[in-house]
Amino acid sequence: DAGITQSPRHKVTETGTPVTLRCHQTENHRYMYWYRQDPGHGLRLIHYSYGVKDTDKGEVSDGYSVSRSKTEDFLLTLESATSSQTSVYFCAISEPGQPSYEQYFGPGTRLTVT
Amino acid sequence: LAKTTQPISMDSYEGQEVNITCSHNNIATNDYITWYQQFPSQGPRFIIQGYKTKVTNEVASLFIPADRKSSTLSLPRVSLSDTAVYYCLVAPRGSSNTGKLIFGQGTTLQVKP
Repeated sequence: DAGITQSPRHKVTETGTPVTLRCHQTENHRYMYWYRQDPGHGLRLIHYSYGVKDTDKGEVSDGYSVSRSKTEDFLLTLESATSSQTSVYFCAISEPGQPSYEQYFGPGTRLTVT
Repeated sequence: LAKTTQPISMDSYEGQEVNITCSHNNIATNDYITWYQQFPSQGPRFIIQGYKTKVTNEVASLFIPADRKSSTLSLPRVSLSDTAVYYCLVAPRGSSNTGKLIFGQGTTLQVKP
């Protein structure tokens, strides 16, 4: 399995509280992604990074920000958590230039906003 | 990016072959077809990818007809551990779209004893 860890694995927080989720990789892959997964919606891309300090928005980026100061770390921040952000969050990595579009996923973080 | 359509759910029994078909009528010339598998409480896992005809690996086979408007993932002799959600994705080959994979709702496969 690819070396991807996510922290925390579970978190319960209150509405209006800032939350930061961390994704750490040991594969030195250039691309990193944050997805959320909700029943009935499958996986939806929040933000992704194509290099250190290079990020772009996905389809559901409102309410989220990201930062990538090192190749191995990609942080997802909810500035002021809302109940609609209760979800399972997955981080993924990939390396461009390869024939396949294989992404490696982390174990996920279950976030509950009360 | 090409939209995909696949069944929401399927049931099967242990030992049977399972075929999951995905429609992608608007597939572009440089699009590849990729399938992922997701077990409960885990992230998705890449299982197979193809461009045309047939691809086989240790996990599954992927059949793609000449017009490439659909594809079929074939799982031989499934076991209970194959119970998972299977996602069909279509994405172009090109750096500007690298990583922008669209995961739909997938097909939930339930394998029964």
